[in-house]
Amino acid sequence: QQQVKQSPQSLIVQKGGISIINCAYENTAFDYFPWYQQFPGKGPALLIAIRPDVSEKKEGRFTISFNKSAKQFSLHIMDSQPGDSATYFCAASYGSGGGADGLTFGKGTHLIIQP
Amino acid sequence: GAGVSQSPRYKVAKRGQDVALRCDPISGHVSLFWYQQALGQGPEFLTYFQNEAQLDKSGLPSDRFFAERPEGSVSTLKIQRTQQEDSAVYLCASSLWWDASSGNTIYFGEGSWLTVV
Repeated sequence: QQQVKQSPQSLIVQKGGISIINCAYENTAFDYFPWYQQFPGKGPALLIAIRPDVSEKKEGRFTISFNKSAKQFSLHIMDSQPGDSATYFCAASYGSGGGADGLTFGKGTHLIIQP
Repeated sequence: GAGVSQSPRYKVAKRGQDVALRCDPISGHVSLFWYQQALGQGPEFLTYFQNEAQLDKSGLPSDRFFAERPEGSVSTLKIQRTQQEDSAVYLCASSLWWDASSGNTIYFGEGSWLTVV
C-alpha cells in the first residue's frame, strides 16, 4: 500500500513558467511533509518542508500548499529555471517524541525546464 | 565532515557474494537512516539508528540484510548472498536528532550504487 502518491510522473515546463507537483497521503498521523530535490548521481536534498498547522509556506521561488482535510499537498516552483531540472520527491513522516519511522517518499516527478 | 559520506560509491557484486556498505554521518548527528532507492523510484526506508541503538529495522527486505552502528557514529549495511533484486542505490542519511516535531533536517549522502550480476 503506497502511503504517499505523487503526480505527475514527469513534467515539462517552459523557462519562467510555474511548475506544480502534487502529493496525496493516506496516514492521518503524518505531521511533517518535506520536499526533496535530487540531481542525477546525487542524494536527495531538502528543499522545503511544512507542518499541518499551516496551509502554505514560501521560501524564495518555492511554495508548499497544504490541504489537511483533503490530505493533499503540493509544490509550486515559480519562475522555473533550467537549473531546476531534477527529480522531486514529496515525503511524509510522523514520530513526534523521537519516533523512528523516518520518511515515506512518493515515487518522484522528473521535471524538465525548457529554455 | 561537511556531509554524509558513503563508500564505496559503486560496487559490482557477483550473485551470492557478500557486500558491506559504509556510511560516515555528519559529525555529532545522533540519528542515522538507511534507505534503498531502485531505479526511477523514491527512496524506501530500511532501518534507523539512534546512537548505537537500532530502533527500527522493519524495512529490511530479508534476513540477508544487516546493519550496525557499534559506536554510534559510522554505520555499515551488510548484504549477504546478494541477489539481482538487491541492485539499487543504498542511501545513508543522518540528522542531528530525528523527531518529526523538532524540525531537524535529514541529510542524505550520495549513495552507494550496487549492481549484482
